[in-house]
Amino acid sequence: QKEVEQDPGPLSVPEGAIVSLNCTYSNSAFQYFMWYRQYSRKGPELLMYTYSSGNKEDGRFTAQVDKSSKYISLFIRDSQPSDSATYLCAMRGTGNQFYFGTGTSLTVIP
Amino acid sequence: DGGITQSPKYLFRKEGQNVTLSCEQNLNHDAMYWYRQDPGQGLRLIYYSQIVNDFQKGDIAEGYSVSREKKESFPLTVTSAQKNPTAFYLCASSSAGMYGLNTEAFFGQGTRLTVV
Repeated sequence: QKEVEQDPGPLSVPEGAIVSLNCTYSNSAFQYFMWYRQYSRKGPELLMYTYSSGNKEDGRFTAQVDKSSKYISLFIRDSQPSDSATYLCAMRGTGNQFYFGTGTSLTVIP
Repeated sequence: DGGITQSPKYLFRKEGQNVTLSCEQNLNHDAMYWYRQDPGQGLRLIYYSQIVNDFQKGDIAEGYSVSREKKESFPLTVTSAQKNPTAFYLCASSSAGMYGLNTEAFFGQGTRLTVV
């Protein structure tokens, strides 16, 4: 079993839709959670990070962590064609290594 | 501007040759990482370094080597022993937060290596 599971999609939505991206994890020691956006042939760009359970909002993006269920989500409101990319979840445990999901490919159709 | 610079962006290698990928950061981060990204497999850790002159093997270190002589630099050498080196290589760095645990990772723009 992989330590981080992420549905690869692809996910296709119309412009303006709310997008929900999710990851599950198996290691209860994970305590730092991140979401990255990666455009084709580019490096991942950090979108959001959080330590704790609950919601964190930044503009159109909301990161949600449920440690009891070992489940994290990223919501994108009012999705735009420029949001079309691959989204990676990432986690860090008690050590200094990061664990990444395989990424979800998102296309926002104008 | 602060950031991580990887060079070159594209690299072609003949079979049997060693090649070195450059990674430089000016974020004053202590930790640096090398990942390999293949379609459908996500990011796999090759090596990481928490401090100068020290580095640890990741999950797929065979056929790769690194050095960390300066805080700013963490070059990766892909040796001829790496049987399937064609991939997208990403360098990242991270600062040490509370209790010495690293905070979020920042990435360079990647190097695409192709064996010809």
